[in-house]
Amino acid sequence: AQTVTQSQPEMSVQEAETVTLSCTYDTSESNYYLFWYKQPPSRQMILVIRQEAYKQQNATENRFSVNFQKAAKSFSLKISDSQLGDTAMYFCAFPPYYGGSQGNLIFGKGTKLSVKP
Amino acid sequence: KAGVTQTPRYLIKTRGQQVTLSCSPISGHRSVSWYQQTPGQGLQFLFEYFSETQRNKGNFPGRFSGRQFSNSRSEMNVSTLELGDSALYLCASSPSGRSYEQYFGPGTRLTVT
Repeated sequence: AQTVTQSQPEMSVQEAETVTLSCTYDTSESNYYLFWYKQPPSRQMILVIRQEAYKQQNATENRFSVNFQKAAKSFSLKISDSQLGDTAMYFCAFPPYYGGSQGNLIFGKGTKLSVKP
Repeated sequence: KAGVTQTPRYLIKTRGQQVTLSCSPISGHRSVSWYQQTPGQGLQFLFEYFSETQRNKGNFPGRFSGRQFSNSRSEMNVSTLELGDSALYLCASSPSGRSYEQYFGPGTRLTVT
């Protein structure tokens, strides 16, 4: 079965510091997409960053970057220069089928990140 | 472009009643997916619609149903509400051919008393 595991239920970081959130997954697909979503207290789920498994280069979006280790099935999110607005639940997710014609994502349980001033 | 909109944002219903939630996708998106989010179960996939057809369905009882209109707007209906149906219901829209690329609405918070 395809699963996503986020082993850190809660984390905290000081403003301006760097934090890494962990995600491991299990799939028998050889190619797939991986996503990190952010859900702040307002509840709006926001796409933070995506990675396509066949691309060896790690994705980067401004202060957000990933460390994708395909063999280890690991997909961690690094947030640099943390800001108060980064306080949110972070979810790792992937579609069970490459191309994703099934229209569903499998989500991890989430990591609650608190950025402290 | 306007984002995904969901109405209503908050809803309180009584056990046994039914409820209809609405989702308007981003303009041009034809795929709409629905999820239930609870503290205990996390985010669970309900169903996905594309061009007015249900393409995929999660593991939920038949009390949960949905439909999609020709303008891609979607509704989900829950009949005979139970206390356990209290949740945040999220819908997401996707561009054609990229249903993995999901953009979420703000959600509808349903409370069943």
